[in-house]
Amino acid sequence: EAQVTQNPRYLITVTGKKLTVTCSQNMNHEYMSWYRQDPGLGLRQIYYSMNVEVTDKGDVPEGYKVSRKEKRNFPLILESPSPNQTSLYFCASSLKASGNYGYTFGSGTRLTVV
Amino acid sequence: KQEVTQIPAALSVPEGENLVLNCSFTDSAIYNLQWFRQDPGKGLTSLLLIQSSQREQTSGRLNASLDKSSGRSTLYIAASQPGDSATYLCAGTDSWGKLQFGAGTQVVVTP
Repeated sequence: EAQVTQNPRYLITVTGKKLTVTCSQNMNHEYMSWYRQDPGLGLRQIYYSMNVEVTDKGDVPEGYKVSRKEKRNFPLILESPSPNQTSLYFCASSLKASGNYGYTFGSGTRLTVV
Repeated sequence: KQEVTQIPAALSVPEGENLVLNCSFTDSAIYNLQWFRQDPGKGLTSLLLIQSSQREQTSGRLNASLDKSSGRSTLYIAASQPGDSATYLCAGTDSWGKLQFGAGTQVVVTP
């Protein structure tokens, strides 16, 4: 089944403890991105990747890192999480960034930082 | 910067009525427009993708139109059912592949 898989689904952590949220797609998509969703603010892009080894900042990149060493994986790294990073996170992928391709989203990761 | 607005923010209808959800965007230079469904605390499920050269897409009881000149898209859901209760999000894609989302329309269909 074609899908975007995120892990974990739920995570509670303490301030300052590094964590990684994994994202993997099995559709050979070039483009991958991370979004966070917050009440009243909607979905905002954190980082995106046009292809392997090509990443760039989205609208709200502060406090996050990403890497794209393989085409299928795009992990989101929080080096020192803070409570304001408590949110619902989504990974998404598309065949290519440009052109008329739709996006497939993962099931989401609900992160709570205490 | 692309801004996407969805009206109304919330909608409650009795079962069987048709739903009309509106999405407007400020920049007509979008590549495509995609409608998603989101159940509470869940992920986004793609409903329809309207490519830039298309005017509408249909899937079952769902029909979405796109008018780039006026900056509008409309999602129609025919003969609504309680299972249609969810938040519906529209998102336009720019040339960099970035999705710009609206805030969503929360739909409740009462039996």
